[in-house]
Amino acid sequence: EVQLVQSGAEVKKPGESLKISCKGSAYTFTSCWIAWVRQMPGKGLEWMGIIYPGDSETRYSPSFQGQVTISADKSISTAYLQWSSLRVSDTAIYYCARLKYSNAAFDSWGQGTLITVSS
Amino acid sequence: QSVLTQPPSVSGAPGQRVTISCTGSSSDIGAGYDVHWYQQFPGTAPKLLIYDNSNRPSGVPDRFSGSKSGTSASLAISGLQAEDEADYYCQSFDSRLSGLGVFGGGTKLTVL
Repeated sequence: EVQLVQSGAEVKKPGESLKISCKGSAYTFTSCWIAWVRQMPGKGLEWMGIIYPGDSETRYSPSFQGQVTISADKSISTAYLQWSSLRVSDTAIYYCARLKYSNAAFDSWGQGTLITVSS
Repeated sequence: QSVLTQPPSVSGAPGQRVTISCTGSSSDIGAGYDVHWYQQFPGTAPKLLIYDNSNRPSGVPDRFSGSKSGTSASLAISGLQAEDEADYYCQSFDSRLSGLGVFGGGTKLTVL
């Protein structure tokens, strides 16, 4: 069974940096895309960007370009989402999800990582 | 404001049929991109419900069906059950974003 397991919840202060992870298993990690999706409290889903771990090709939604960095380490089947300077407005649940190709459906999701940014 | 427009809420009695619309434009659904639908219960990750406009993943009951026409898509749920109460999201892709994905704003389904 395909699984995406995300790192645990984090509580951070504004201005701090953070890197969360998403580890894939039971499939060829380098042959599928990984996306990151944000869900702010009580709100809908937002597409942040995607990465192809096979060659690290990365694409960002304009709303998130320059705000976050998406990366992957194919040797350990893990994708990452990182911030260099968190804001209170980054408080949200972040999901990783798998796509078999860049405009496919998200056929498998991580459990989500809650990020709380508060002074 | 989401690129794809969904009604904020729909409701129906057990056994009834409800539909959820997803309206886009010539840059997304109308550009020929497929539409996918997800179901999300409170406190849990979304789950794929319909892919490529009208296909059900293994394990999804045939009470759920999807369709696409022009710049819109629809999710239909027949034989409504209490357990169907959840949030539903459509998703497609946008040529203005170099083919990156976009979601609808989500629809809360209430089973009366």
